[in-house]
Amino acid sequence: EAQVTQNPRYLITVTGKKLTVTCSQNMNHEYMSWYRQDPGLGLRQIYYSMNVEVTDKGDVPEGYKVSRKEKRNFPLILESPSPNQTSLYFCASSSLASGDYEQYFGPGTRLTVT
Amino acid sequence: GENVEQHPSTLSVQEGDSAVIKCTYSDSASNYFPWYKQELGKRPQLIIDIRSNVGEKKDQRIAVTLNKTAKHFSLHITETQPEDSAVYFCAASKGDAGNMLTFGGGTRLMVKP
Repeated sequence: EAQVTQNPRYLITVTGKKLTVTCSQNMNHEYMSWYRQDPGLGLRQIYYSMNVEVTDKGDVPEGYKVSRKEKRNFPLILESPSPNQTSLYFCASSSLASGDYEQYFGPGTRLTVT
Repeated sequence: GENVEQHPSTLSVQEGDSAVIKCTYSDSASNYFPWYKQELGKRPQLIIDIRSNVGEKKDQRIAVTLNKTAKHFSLHITETQPEDSAVYFCAASKGDAGNMLTFGGGTRLMVKP
């Protein structure tokens, strides 16, 4: 089954404790992105990647890091989480080759930083 | 960067009526405009999209119109049903594969039986 997976789905942590949210897709997509969703603000792009070892900042990259060492994985790293990073996070992937532009979203990770 | 504004933020309609949600965007380089439906606790799901070389697209009860000159696009849902109740997001992208999405703030649609 074609899908995007994220882990963990729920996470409660404390300020300053490094964490990683994993994202994996099995569709051989070139493009992957991270978004955060906050009430009234829609989804905002944090980082995106056009292929292995190619990443770029989105609209709200401060406080986040990403890496793309393999095509299927795109982890989101919070080196020193703060309460304002409490949010719902979505990973997404898409393919230029398919020509349909559709973003395939993961199930989301709800992060709470206390 | 791109800025997408969406109106209204909430919309309540009677079952069977039509619903219209409007979005404006700021970057004339944007070339892809998807609409997503998000049910409570779930991921956004694409319901319809349109590219900048097309003015209108329809899929059963759902249609999207795009006015590139005015930089606005709209979602039209006809014959609304209770299961259409959800939050709807518009977005605009100028990436090669729709991967650089800027979203509107969302519209909560409530369809009353």
